[in-house]
Amino acid sequence: DSGVTQTPKHLITATGQRVTLRCSPRSGDLSVYWYQQSLDQGLQFLIQYYNGEERAKGNILERFSAQQFPDLHSELNLSSLELGDSALYFCASSVGWDSGANVLTFGAGSRLTVL
Amino acid sequence: AQSVTQPDIHITVSEGASLELRCNYSYGATPYLFWYVQSPGQGLQLLLKYFSGDTLVQGIKGFEAEFKRSQSSFNLRKPSVHWSDAAEYFCAVGGRGRDDKIIFGKGTRLHILP
Repeated sequence: DSGVTQTPKHLITATGQRVTLRCSPRSGDLSVYWYQQSLDQGLQFLIQYYNGEERAKGNILERFSAQQFPDLHSELNLSSLELGDSALYFCASSVGWDSGANVLTFGAGSRLTVL
Repeated sequence: AQSVTQPDIHITVSEGASLELRCNYSYGATPYLFWYVQSPGQGLQLLLKYFSGDTLVQGIKGFEAEFKRSQSSFNLRKPSVHWSDAAEYFCAVGGRGRDDKIIFGKGTRLHILP
């Protein structure tokens, strides 16, 4: 157990729907990162939050949004889902805010299937 | 911005044989460098990292990696692999600029023959 908790583990939904993925970081970590892993694109950085504030943004679609709450857990919202959004979504956490230098602790991932 | 390439999608080695997984990066300065491992159904776990100093870094599970600035490489090595090393391995590069991020390679899947 890495200490990073992601729910749900699996999610099956239909095109056009909206889902929310949840992440609780490891105790003491202030940064939360979201990554999307697909077979063709590999592991793509989506977004990072540090202590409630957006810290860095990657290739996150406008249909996707995220936030980090005062208790430091984070949610990734995916809307108007398309078949191509099917992927494994990872949350990771780290102590610091430095986007490039942090050692990341990953959760087990949330597997999203869009039918 | 930085980029990272793992040229080998799949590698197969026999148990007990040595292993080298390749990683090449592109970045204007010396980046932060990482190797992570992902076992089936699991998240990624850090094997080792390079920030500065000695270019040969030791990690967990008997792995080591060497940073070679002249070749823009950070190859992962293990002298003798075990069946439990079968997994996917990711090289990652972190930029040193304020707005830089950690970018992952597409991974190398390691298969072990008994």
